[in-house]
Amino acid sequence: NAGVTQTPKFQVLKTGQSMTLQCAQDMNHNSMYWYRQDPGMGLRLIYYSASEGTTDKGEVPNGYNVSRLNKREFSLRLESAAPSQTSVYFCASSGDRGRNIQYFGAGTRLSVL
Amino acid sequence: QKEVEQNSGPLSVPEGAIASLNCTYSDRVSQSFFWYRQYSGKSPELIMSIYSNGDKEDGRFTAQLNKASQYVSLLIRDSQPSDSATYLCAVSWVNTGFQKLVFGTGTRLLVSP
Repeated sequence: NAGVTQTPKFQVLKTGQSMTLQCAQDMNHNSMYWYRQDPGMGLRLIYYSASEGTTDKGEVPNGYNVSRLNKREFSLRLESAAPSQTSVYFCASSGDRGRNIQYFGAGTRLSVL
Repeated sequence: QKEVEQNSGPLSVPEGAIASLNCTYSDRVSQSFFWYRQYSGKSPELIMSIYSNGDKEDGRFTAQLNKASQYVSLLIRDSQPSDSATYLCAVSWVNTGFQKLVFGTGTRLLVSP
């Protein structure tokens, strides 16, 4: 049982390059989330998907797009990477709307030069 | 703006002592409260959840919630060096019918042998 799987684990980009971070969960959860974590800033919500077919902006959506491909997969795309997007990105999922217990993937460490 | 505040630490305790971690939040209608543990370079891992006023115990961990005073705390009894990590407080609130989590910036705990 893998839980939440993120790929890649590490990535280095040049300013202006694009890339997609992949996330998949095998827990049959309805809701999925993308966060970024920066020193001293805590975890901040970028986008979320309450259920298959829906996506919404979180606290810091600028510069990102998302796709909820199916119930299992939720991807995050950086169209034109900027140094300010250097961060650790976490995907999470939750299956219980009443309690909102979220389970996290291992993270993607992204550096934009 | 929903806010969750934690002392960044580090909180240093000797092995075998009780570690007390505190968290305050700004929103009175928050519904669910969580403590996540995050080891350096790893993803957040849920260790406790609490939904009603009072104490909840799970092994060496006790979560305490006081909604009137808007604080939630985590006690770790018989602290071990392996408990050294950053502890994230998270509060769930409902916006437009969907629950989101707001995270504090975390308290770093150091347990010395």
